[in-house]
Amino acid sequence: DSGVTQTPKHLITATGQRVTLRCSPRSGDLSVYWYQQSLDQGLQFLIQYYNGEERAKGNILERFSAQQFPDLHSELNLSSLELGDSALYFCASSVGGGWSYEQYFGPGTRLTVT
Amino acid sequence: GQQVMQIPQYQHVQEGEDFTTYCNSSTTLSNIQWYKQRPGGHPVFLIQLVKSGEVKKQKRLTFQFGEAKKNSSLHITATQTTDVGTYFCAGRTGNQFYFGTGTSLTVIP
Repeated sequence: DSGVTQTPKHLITATGQRVTLRCSPRSGDLSVYWYQQSLDQGLQFLIQYYNGEERAKGNILERFSAQQFPDLHSELNLSSLELGDSALYFCASSVGGGWSYEQYFGPGTRLTVT
Repeated sequence: GQQVMQIPQYQHVQEGEDFTTYCNSSTTLSNIQWYKQRPGGHPVFLIQLVKSGEVKKQKRLTFQFGEAKKNSSLHITATQTTDVGTYFCAGRTGNQFYFGTGTSLTVIP
């Protein structure tokens, strides 16, 4: 158990819909990262927040957005969903804001778009 | 596009054999991290290398960072069934963090 929690574990929704994935970092960690893992694309970095502010942006689509709240939990919002958005979405946390810190991954949310 | 490639993509070994996965970046990396993901699980941090030419060992695992900081390798000596999983390298270039394509290891008992 990494100490990072993600909800829900599974999500099935239809194309065009919007969903919100939630992540609670390990106690004491200030950074939250979001990743998308699909069979053909591997692990893709989406976005990072550090202490409530966006720190780095990766391959995140405009239809996706995220935020980190004052209690440090984070939400990833996916809208106008397409079949290709079906994937495993991981949240990770680390104590610091740079890329030199060990990242602790949550169990993931499996999103299926039908 | 993908900037960090790993080879091989898949590797099947007999228990007790050695295993090596190679990680290659098109750009210089500030650091390299290695993660292991068991089937159905999430990535788990193994180690971080920062210095050019650095070598670190963890029991049967040996990690190397290339002199040019563009490549890295993970070598497992005498594999065990508990080594099964996908091994990912990941590194920072600029303000981006890239995961490698991963090497899936199967260990045949």
